[in-house]
Amino acid sequence: NAGVTQTPKFQVLKTGQSMTLQCAQDMNHNSMYWYRQDPGMGLRLIYYSASEGTTDKGEVPNGYNVSRLNKREFSLRLESAAPSQTSVYFCASSVNRGPTEAFFGQGTRLTVV
Amino acid sequence: GQQLNQSPQSMFIQEGEDVSMNCTSSSIFNTWLWYKQDPGEGPVLLIALYKAGELTSNGRLTAQFGITRKDSFLNISASIPSDVGIYFCAGHYSGAGSYQLTFGKGTKLSVIP
Repeated sequence: NAGVTQTPKFQVLKTGQSMTLQCAQDMNHNSMYWYRQDPGMGLRLIYYSASEGTTDKGEVPNGYNVSRLNKREFSLRLESAAPSQTSVYFCASSVNRGPTEAFFGQGTRLTVV
Repeated sequence: GQQLNQSPQSMFIQEGEDVSMNCTSSSIFNTWLWYKQDPGEGPVLLIALYKAGELTSNGRLTAQFGITRKDSFLNISASIPSDVGIYFCAGHYSGAGSYQLTFGKGTKLSVIP
């Protein structure tokens, strides 16, 4: 009964390095999301995929790219990491009712030095 | 963009006491959500509210969707140590097929045994 699984859980990057955060859900949900959580800021939407084959920008998309690989998997890529991207990243998924009643993964804590 | 004001930012209470927290918005929402986040984990949905004036309970938790559609509150009765965590409100406006959730900055709850 995994739900939403994110890998890795922790990562340290040097400025300018690239990496991909992986997310997979086993609930047959159509929509998937990437959020970032910064201290005192709540969660902010980076990108989302309303359904397989589509992706759209959220509130804070700059510096990120996404790929909806199939219905289960939605990855987030940082092409050239910057210290401002130090954050905790959460993947989430939901059925067809939009982002309400979304299920979240455990998060990836990313530090860029 | 839309902003949510969540209060209080933090609270310390004795075990057994009741807790109340609220969120107010500068604009209307169609849906209000309340999430709880434990340390090192992703947010977990507690209650979803879909109709102005709606009052919904989930065990010791009760939440209401304000009649103006610009506010919501969450009450926890007879608090216990496992209620410790950060509680987030979130609002959704479904106009134009929006997939954007707006999150409050959270209320950190500490329970003193």
